[in-house]
Amino acid sequence: QVQLVQSGAEVKKTGASVKVSCKASGYTFTKHSMHWVRQAPGQRLEWMGWINAGNGNTKYSQKFQDRVTITRDTSASTAYMELSSLRSEDSAVYFCAREYYDPWGYYYYDYWGQGTLVTVSS
Amino acid sequence: DIQMTQSPSSLSASVGDRVTITCRASQSISRNLNWYQQKPGKAPKFLIYAASSLQSGVPSRFSGSGSGTDFTLTISSLQPEDFATYYCQQSYSSPQTFGGGTKVEIK
Repeated sequence: QVQLVQSGAEVKKTGASVKVSCKASGYTFTKHSMHWVRQAPGQRLEWMGWINAGNGNTKYSQKFQDRVTITRDTSASTAYMELSSLRSEDSAVYFCAREYYDPWGYYYYDYWGQGTLVTVSS
Repeated sequence: DIQMTQSPSSLSASVGDRVTITCRASQSISRNLNWYQQKPGKAPKFLIYAASSLQSGVPSRFSGSGSGTDFTLTISSLQPEDFATYYCQQSYSSPQTFGGGTKVEIK
């Protein structure tokens, strides 16, 4: 069965960086893109970016363009999201989500990681 | 960016009630609309794609409709396990954007 298992909670100081991992199992890692979505307390889900796990191409939300880096290690079936220059507003739960692209051109996130809480404080 | 607006933001309903949630896009997104269910402290669960196609394993009491800018999620007979927050998401263009959520609470 498909599983996405994320790394544990992190506490960071303002200005630091955080790197969250997402280990995939139960499917061929390189056949599906991986997206990162975050959710601040009481807020809506917010898309951050994605990586084509096959070729490593990435696309980021303009909001995070200068601060986020998404990578992957195909040998470990793991995707990573690194966010730099952290500020208090970055305190949120970060999710990885597998993209499924269907034959009719629709896509959606069919499997999600359990979420990683990142707390940023001064 | 395409803005997604859900209404209501919350509702109270009883087991067995029919519940309808609305999602409106700021521009046409054809049928590129997905629905997710989220329970407290958990990851979202995927329910519906392409506005009306039910993900495998999702109970048939869930249904979706709409195209263009206006969409609905309907739960035909609310069950205890359906009390959660529901989000719509457009996958028409990047950045993919989500609605603000509709919290379904027990009356």
